[in-house]
Amino acid sequence: AQSVSQHNHHVILSEAASLELGCNYSYGGTVNLFWYVQYPGQHLQLLLKYFSGDPLVKGIKGFEAEFIKSKFSFNLRKPSVQWSDTAEYFCAVNAVAAGNKLTFGGGTRVLVKP
Amino acid sequence: DTEVTQTPKHLVMGMTNKKSLKCEQHMGHRAMYWYKQKAKKPPELMFVYSYEKLSINESVPSRFSPECPNSSLLNLHLHALQPEDSALYLCASSQLLEGNTIYFGEGSWLTVV
Repeated sequence: AQSVSQHNHHVILSEAASLELGCNYSYGGTVNLFWYVQYPGQHLQLLLKYFSGDPLVKGIKGFEAEFIKSKFSFNLRKPSVQWSDTAEYFCAVNAVAAGNKLTFGGGTRVLVKP
Repeated sequence: DTEVTQTPKHLVMGMTNKKSLKCEQHMGHRAMYWYKQKAKKPPELMFVYSYEKLSINESVPSRFSPECPNSSLLNLHLHALQPEDSALYLCASSQLLEGNTIYFGEGSWLTVV
């Protein structure tokens, strides 16, 4: 069975600081990888996704993520955060062989101080 | 704004009530999902419908009963719920193409009293 782990439960940083959120998954086969964001009181929104090709993917709002297959990782980065990036971030994995089952990591709550 | 629409946004029900959550999408997606999200936790998969057929049931108690009347609609019928079932219920849909990106609705906040 696939599983996803996010290393940090809470991250606090100041505006303009750089952000990196770790995500590792356990599954030996082909996977599709996603980062979702949930702003306070709002629904889950897709930040970015990786299916194949260039392992460095760019998403909305200046976020990017790098898929490192050898490390089973898909870390999320943003060079300079804003107060509006305060949210909960979820890494998710869909193992191709598992069909439609999307498995989420535990989430990382990010607080950006103005 | 999400293109997956859920109603109602908020629902309070007693443990003996019968109610339903509704979900609609007009993106032509062929898979629809119900997820449950408790506060400060990630969403947990409950059910998946592919081409209007139930394809995944994550051992959900029978007091939750999904229904997919057509490719655009998904219902979740609720009966004899418990207070611990209070949560945010998320509907989602996907195209079932490469990558199978799943798009979520805003959710229905359910409180069982």
